[in-house]
Amino acid sequence: DAGVIQSPRHEVTEMGQEVTLRCKPISGHDYLFWYRQTMMRGLELLIYFNNNVPIDDSGMPEDRFSAKMPNASFSTLKIQPSEPRDSAVYFCASSRTGLNTDTQYFGPGTRLTVL
Amino acid sequence: AQSVAQPEDQVNVAEGNPLTVKCTYSVSGNPYLFWYVQYPNRGLQFLLKYITGDNLVKGSYGFEAEFNKSQTSFHLKKPSALVSDSALYFCAVRDDAGGTSYGKLTFGQGTILTVHP
Repeated sequence: DAGVIQSPRHEVTEMGQEVTLRCKPISGHDYLFWYRQTMMRGLELLIYFNNNVPIDDSGMPEDRFSAKMPNASFSTLKIQPSEPRDSAVYFCASSRTGLNTDTQYFGPGTRLTVL
Repeated sequence: AQSVAQPEDQVNVAEGNPLTVKCTYSVSGNPYLFWYVQYPNRGLQFLLKYITGDNLVKGSYGFEAEFNKSQTSFHLKKPSALVSDSALYFCAVRDDAGGTSYGKLTFGQGTILTVHP
């Protein structure tokens, strides 16, 4: 199993530009989570999906952030327009209901730098 | 509501000595408890979890954790620390009361473990 795949691994952009982060969950997993990690705020849950449907987006910081999951094998997190305070590492994780429920498996992360 | 606290930002221990990383939790129902480890520039890796049963849970890399319901704690332990155990450790909890929190884990702030040679 390839694990959770995220792209790009690193992204450097200028303030005001649109940024799109991508995630492919582990095959067969029905939950997908987007987290943000910074030194100041630690690990924050932004949004999560179950069977491609957003369940809880209360962690999305503001309207500049949006996430979609068009199918079971792909999700995007978009920031438009980006700001320097969005600089962070963004993680995607997936899990599966059933025997091993709740164990989330994390991707390697995307390190975003907004100049 | 579910919450978790890791009271120590940093833990330092000498190689070969036992280590403990502390975690306390708060839930409405019964807790599902997890430990994850994060090495530099990597994603979080699952170490172990407690759902039900034995209070002592064994996980990867020789780690274990003890669930204590009366103290609402789930401390991570290892009998003999290695330099390679140096990393950031996260405790996480989910409340089995379900509802809108189903599937969602709440993570602590993390504890930096440094093992000195």
